[in-house]
Amino acid sequence: QVQLVESGGGVVQPGKSLRLSCAASGFTFVRHGFHWVRQAPGKGLEWLAVISFDGNSEYYADSVKGRFSISRDNSKNTIYLQMNSLRDADTAVYYCARDSKEYRFGYSDYWGQGTLVTVSS
Amino acid sequence: DIQMTQSPSSLSASVGDRVTITCRASQDIRSFLAWFQQKPGKAPRSLIYYASSLQGGVSAKFSGSGSGTDFNLTISSLQPEDFATYFCQQYNSHPLTFGGGTKVEIK
Repeated sequence: QVQLVESGGGVVQPGKSLRLSCAASGFTFVRHGFHWVRQAPGKGLEWLAVISFDGNSEYYADSVKGRFSISRDNSKNTIYLQMNSLRDADTAVYYCARDSKEYRFGYSDYWGQGTLVTVSS
Repeated sequence: DIQMTQSPSSLSASVGDRVTITCRASQDIRSFLAWFQQKPGKAPRSLIYYASSLQGGVSAKFSGSGSGTDFNLTISSLQPEDFATYFCQQYNSHPLTFGGGTKVEIK
C-alpha cells in the first residue's frame, strides 16, 4: 500500500535552516511527482511546492519562493524540503503528498502523517 | 494566482442531513478541482477529484459537481464519522491553491 513518512521536524530558531524528508513506498516512485503542503496551528491548508516525476520541474508558492527548495532522490525513494531563513510564520505541520498522475501533474491523492516544525527563539 | 473561496466556513448539521459545501474559483479552472476531508490531528484524505470523480475507497454518499468557477461537495446523509473539516483545491495551474475550509459540526 502507498505509504509516505515525513521526518526532520523539530524546534528551530528564526533565521536558521531545516531539511524535511519524506520516504515513499508501496508504488513506483519514479513515475510520480510530489507535493509539500503545510498547516499552521488552527489554520487551513497551504500548498507550498511540487516537483515533477523526473525532477526537472518545480513550482512554489510565493510565500516560500526563494527560501524553500524541493528535491528528490530516486535512488532512496525520498523527497526533501530544504527550508532556509525560517520565520515564526513557518511554524506548522508539514505534509508531503503524492501527485495522483504518472508522468504529469495532478492533485494529491496520498498524504503522509505530517511532521511538526516550530520556529521559535 | 487563483483564489479559492469556500462557503460556509462552518455549519452545524444533524445525523442524516444532506449537506452541501460550495467552492468558487477566481477564474476558470475547468474541472481541475479536488475535495479533501480532514479530521483533527490527522492528515487530509482525498475524496473527490476532477470535480466529480470519487477517489477509490470513498463512500458514494460523497458527490461533487460543477465546472468552470463554481463547485459543490454534497454529503447525502451525514453520519457521525463525517464530522470533519472539508477543503477544496484547484489543480488547474501552479501555484495550487486551497479554499479556506468548511468545518462540519454536530447540531
